[in-house]
Amino acid sequence: AQTVTQSQPEMSVQEAETVTLSCTYDTSENNYYLFWYKQPPSRQMILVIRQEAYKQQNATENRFSVNFQKAAKSFSLKISDSQLGDTAMYFCASLIYNTDKLIFGTGTRLQVFP
Amino acid sequence: DVKVTQSSRYLVKRTGEKVFLECVQDMDHENMFWYRQDPGLGLRLIYFSYDVKMKEKGDIPEGYSVSREKKERFSLILESASTNQTSMYLCASTYASTGINEKLFFGSGTQLSVL
Repeated sequence: AQTVTQSQPEMSVQEAETVTLSCTYDTSENNYYLFWYKQPPSRQMILVIRQEAYKQQNATENRFSVNFQKAAKSFSLKISDSQLGDTAMYFCASLIYNTDKLIFGTGTRLQVFP
Repeated sequence: DVKVTQSSRYLVKRTGEKVFLECVQDMDHENMFWYRQDPGLGLRLIYFSYDVKMKEKGDIPEGYSVSREKKERFSLILESASTNQTSMYLCASTYASTGINEKLFFGSGTQLSVL
């Protein structure tokens, strides 16, 4: 079975600081994708970053980067230079290649303080 | 831009009512999904559909059914609403799996309260 675990229900960070959100997953498959989604108070889910499991290089999107540790099945999200607009729920998710079932973690609520 | 539109942002229904949640996408996506979002539980897949008139059960299909008569529209049906179905419901769509360019597009959610 495919599972995604986010062990931090809530996190907070001061504006301009760096924060890391944790995610671990479990799958027996070799080909899969990992994602971080952001859900601000507007409720619109926004894709933040994605990682193909076959790529060793960690994905980066501007202030957002991941630390993908395949052997440890860990996929953490680092937000640098945190901004007030980063305040949101963050969901980690996994998708097995050639399937369409995205499996989500339970989410981490991030609060950015001025 | 892709739009996934859910017909209601908030909905209040009574126990036992039949409830329809509608979702429409405008990008000719083959795949459509219904998720339920609850605090501490994340998003859980209820049903999904690969094509018109096709449906597959997700992880928590009990108490729900779906309908996909047209490619752009995917309806979630609560045959007899119960209080434990009070939740946020999110619809999503994507192109058929390419294995490379996966991206799920979400609607803005329907917050359903069953009294």
